[in-house]
Amino acid sequence: DIQMTQSPSSLSASVGDRVTITCRTNQSISTYLNWYQHKPGKAPKLLIYAASSLQSGVPSRFSGSGSGTALTLTISSLQPEDFATYYCQQTYSTLPTFGGGTKVEIK
Amino acid sequence: QVQLVQSGAELRKPGASVKVSCKVSGYTLTGLFMHWVRQAPGKGLEWMGGFDPEDGETIYAQKFQGRVIMTEDTSADTASMELSRLRSEDTAVYYCATIHYYGSGSQYYFDYWGHGTLVTVSS
Repeated sequence: DIQMTQSPSSLSASVGDRVTITCRTNQSISTYLNWYQHKPGKAPKLLIYAASSLQSGVPSRFSGSGSGTALTLTISSLQPEDFATYYCQQTYSTLPTFGGGTKVEIK
Repeated sequence: QVQLVQSGAELRKPGASVKVSCKVSGYTLTGLFMHWVRQAPGKGLEWMGGFDPEDGETIYAQKFQGRVIMTEDTSADTASMELSRLRSEDTAVYYCATIHYYGSGSQYYFDYWGHGTLVTVSS
């Protein structure tokens, strides 16, 4: 299985801050990576697919970059509704896997 | 608009089995590729398995092999996930989710999700 390590596991930030979350894998996954936002009591929501493609309807403050074994999700200016847990997911292998998650909390 | 409506919360004793269903509305199940993901309390998302259209078979995470069966009743547009030999660590919210291909091979993402079903395993 492809192992995925997300960092940090949690962070505290203020509204307006720039936030970067990194997903590292133990082997290259090219750009077969998706990012989801998950809030308590709700279903996960797709933000970014193919490492850098913004899902329709998702605000442009979200962006993804990278390829290979290190990929990032950036929120350019954190908004109140962005406090949530974020997960990366690889689909490079037949068996997809999620990263451990990054909880973004209010400072 | 695709909607996935899951069955209600379940309470089971250790060693028992549970079956969670996921009914599709706004589309037909035959046109979708259904997968299952769970989240244990305080833990992250965990992929359990789903239909692989490249092979035409259902694939399972190694962790659940031999303990999970995912089925589809196309006449009722309902997918189901049955997990057996339950233990306390199986307490989790279970989600069904469909995958959408944006390219070839394994270029896909999970687009539509059910609301989740809480399964509690306790004696």
